[in-house]
This record gives sequence, structure tokens and C-alpha cells, in this order.
Amino acid sequence: QQPVQSPQAVILREGEDAVINCSSSKALYSVHWYRQKHGEAPVFLMILLKGGEQKGHDKISASFNEKKQQSSLYLTASQLSYSGTYFCGTAYSGAGSYQLTFGKGTKLSVIP
Amino acid sequence: DTAVSQTPKYLVTQMGNDKSIKCEQNLGHDTMYWYKQDSKKFLKIMFSYNNKELIINETVPNRFSPKSPDKAHLNLHINSLELGDSAVYFCASSQDTGLWAEAFFGQGTRLTVV
Repeated sequence: QQPVQSPQAVILREGEDAVINCSSSKALYSVHWYRQKHGEAPVFLMILLKGGEQKGHDKISASFNEKKQQSSLYLTASQLSYSGTYFCGTAYSGAGSYQLTFGKGTKLSVIP
Repeated sequence: DTAVSQTPKYLVTQMGNDKSIKCEQNLGHDTMYWYKQDSKKFLKIMFSYNNKELIINETVPNRFSPKSPDKAHLNLHINSLELGDSAVYFCASSQDTGLWAEAFFGQGTRLTVV
């Protein structure tokens, strides 16, 4: 039930755009996105709760395609501070229990 | 004010020892978790507690046991440590079951078993 993220790694120059995908083989309740910088704890970016929902802040946004059971994270005009590993976490409904499962992560490196 | 705090930050110990990692959150959250992050950076949930009741107990060895004295604390006790237990352990908390709420992570405890 672990979601599949792609790509595994990406290198960008400052100002370039990137898309990180997250897909599930099972119907999703919600999708969570986190970013982890080297040696630090994961930090929450956003949650998408409804099919088709899009969210964003600053130049990072995400969409959730419930039908396709996938979510995409969009990073536009990347900055050096965007570097880190991005994790998607997928939650599945089930008897009130918490079932957030993280993908293996996408390592994003932004270079000058 | 640290929202989720873990102690210790680093822990080096010999195989066979028993150790504990403490976690406290001051956010008033209902649910707390323990995650293990291995050398490949895979974040795997180990346990979660909601209102002092175990919600998830993933297929982790029974050498690992979570202990929650109250809603603000979830400690992780590990018996008979093995080399494969070396990893970074993160404590986290969220409101309700967390399906729709963000999780706040502690700074992590790097456990090294020698």
C-alpha cells in the first residue's frame, strides 16, 4: 500500500520548474506532502482531501486526481531553499484509524 | 517553544542493551506517532496512539514497545537492541486521527547500535 513516487531524484537550476508524482494502487482518502532537508525533520507542506482539489502556497502547489488515485506536486521557479527530499503520504479510510503511509521520497537538488 | 521534542538527539549503544527514547508534545494534539527512517530515507510508521489507545501497531518486532503515560507523551522503549535497529526515529503528533490534519515531527533521535 506504499505510494509510488516519481522521479526518485531530480536536479534543477534555480528558476526551473519540477513536477513530483505520487500514485496509489488503492483508493485514497487524502494525500499529504512533506519536505525534509538533510539532517532535519519532515515539514508539512499541504494536504489534499478531495478529488480534483488543488492547493498551493508561494510557488509550490499540488493537485489530487481521485479517479487516477494520484497526486502531483508542482514547484515553479525553483529556489535554492527548495532543495530536500519530498515525501507524499497517502491515507486510506478505515474504521477511524490513522493509516498514513509515505512513499520513498523524491530528492530534489536546486543548483545556482 | 518546541512543539514536539525528543530526547536524546543521539544515542549510541551496544547490541543487547535496552534503551528508551522520550517524546513530548505541547500542541494539545490527540494522536502521537513513532516513525523509523532507515539509511535509505524510507519513513515507516511504527506506532500511533490516540487518547492513550494504540491505533496502529505495524509489524515491528515486539522488542519495541510504546508507552504513553499521558496524552502529551509517547515514549519508545526498545529491548535487546540489534544492529538493524540503527536508524533515525521520529516522534510526531497530529490532531484527531491525522487523516486530514498535518503531522508535526520532532527533531529525530539517531540511534546507532554497535
